[in-house]
Amino acid sequence: KAGVTQTPRYLIKTRGQQVTLSCSPISGHRSVSWYQQTPGQGLQFLFEYFSETQRNKGNFPGRFSGRQFSNSRSEMNVSTLELGDSALYLCASSLAVGSGETQYFGPGTRLLVL
Amino acid sequence: SQQGEEDPQALSIQEGENATMNCSYKTSINNLQWYRQNSGRGLVHLILIRSNEREKHSGRLRVTLDTSKKSSSLLITASRAADTASYFCATSPAGANSKLTFGKGITLSVRP
Repeated sequence: KAGVTQTPRYLIKTRGQQVTLSCSPISGHRSVSWYQQTPGQGLQFLFEYFSETQRNKGNFPGRFSGRQFSNSRSEMNVSTLELGDSALYLCASSLAVGSGETQYFGPGTRLLVL
Repeated sequence: SQQGEEDPQALSIQEGENATMNCSYKTSINNLQWYRQNSGRGLVHLILIRSNEREKHSGRLRVTLDTSKKSSSLLITASRAADTASYFCATSPAGANSKLTFGKGITLSVRP
């Protein structure tokens, strides 16, 4: 079974631009979560989607948004990019929503904002 | 905010030795998971231990959980150079919530 895939793997943008990242979960998985990883803040939860509905949201500004499609694929969007948005963005999928579920992570998208 | 705190922050051992990493957390949890990350790549799930479990094994990995002390340990036996990576503990709260709260991670270096 193929793992979680994320596209693109690397991205360079300039301040003020917007970016869309994509995540395809493991086949059959319906829950997708997004995390941001930076050297200073570590791994931080962005949001979680299940059945096309946002179930949980982390403490990030409204510039960060996401959505999930009927095939469970998910996208996250960051508008008006800031230098501090440079990070590794990780997507994780699990069979269902709930704290008992193992989450499987993709390889990440590394975003550099200049 | 970081829920878990791993200890030590960095660990360097010789191949063949055992590596023990510790994690402490602050609030009640439903389960605790350990992940490995190689050099800025994706996280690889290692093991999940539920709050009603005290010990779990998977291959060369042994995880313990002490909910009274709010702590967990990950033991890697007979380490290999390929075990060189960053290791993270992540906790999940009880309930219908998949959110993981990660510690800052432990950098393990295994010298050949």
